[in-house]
Amino acid sequence: ETGVTQSPTHLIKTRGQQVTLRCSSQSGHNTVSWYQQALGQGPQFIFQYYREEENGRGNFPPRFSGLQFPNYSSELNVNALELDDSALYLCASSLVSSGANVLTFGAGSRLTVL
Amino acid sequence: AQSVTQPDIHITVSEGASLELRCNYSYGATPYLFWYVQSPGQGLQLLLKYFSGDTLVQGIKGFEAEFKRSQSSFNLRKPSVHWSDAAEYFCATWYSGGGADGLTFGKGTHLIIQP
Repeated sequence: ETGVTQSPTHLIKTRGQQVTLRCSSQSGHNTVSWYQQALGQGPQFIFQYYREEENGRGNFPPRFSGLQFPNYSSELNVNALELDDSALYLCASSLVSSGANVLTFGAGSRLTVL
Repeated sequence: AQSVTQPDIHITVSEGASLELRCNYSYGATPYLFWYVQSPGQGLQLLLKYFSGDTLVQGIKGFEAEFKRSQSSFNLRKPSVHWSDAAEYFCATWYSGGGADGLTFGKGTHLIIQP
């Protein structure tokens, strides 16, 4: 079975720009979530998607948005980039949409905002 | 709100020695607890999890962890470390409620292996 794949692996943007990060879920998984990991910190939950709708969100502003497609792949979009958005963005997929469950993580997309 | 504390930012252990990484959580009910490992350039890999039942859980790569409710702890152990165990280790708990259903992570412990 294939794991979670993310693209791009690295990218550099300037403040005020917009960015789209992509994720392909592990085969058979129907739920995808995104996490932000700042340097030296643990990952922080951004949001979760199930059946192409957001069904859970952490403490992130609306300029962080996402999409989930019928094939369960996903995008994370960040508008009006700020310097503090520089981080590793991790995508994770899972089999169920509610309750504690095991997440399979991708290797991440490292975003640098200048 | 739930939180996870990993008191040790860095730990250095000699190859072949035993290891214990500490994790404390704050949560009223029975928590769902996880340990993940992150190597440079890699995503997070699940080592083990505790949902219920036996408080001593076995994981991959020879790791185990013990849930102690009285101490609000879920410490990770390995009897003999290998150089390939050098990585960042994260303890996490599953958070449900308030529209946010996901993992809450500690800040991580960086494990250094001395030859």
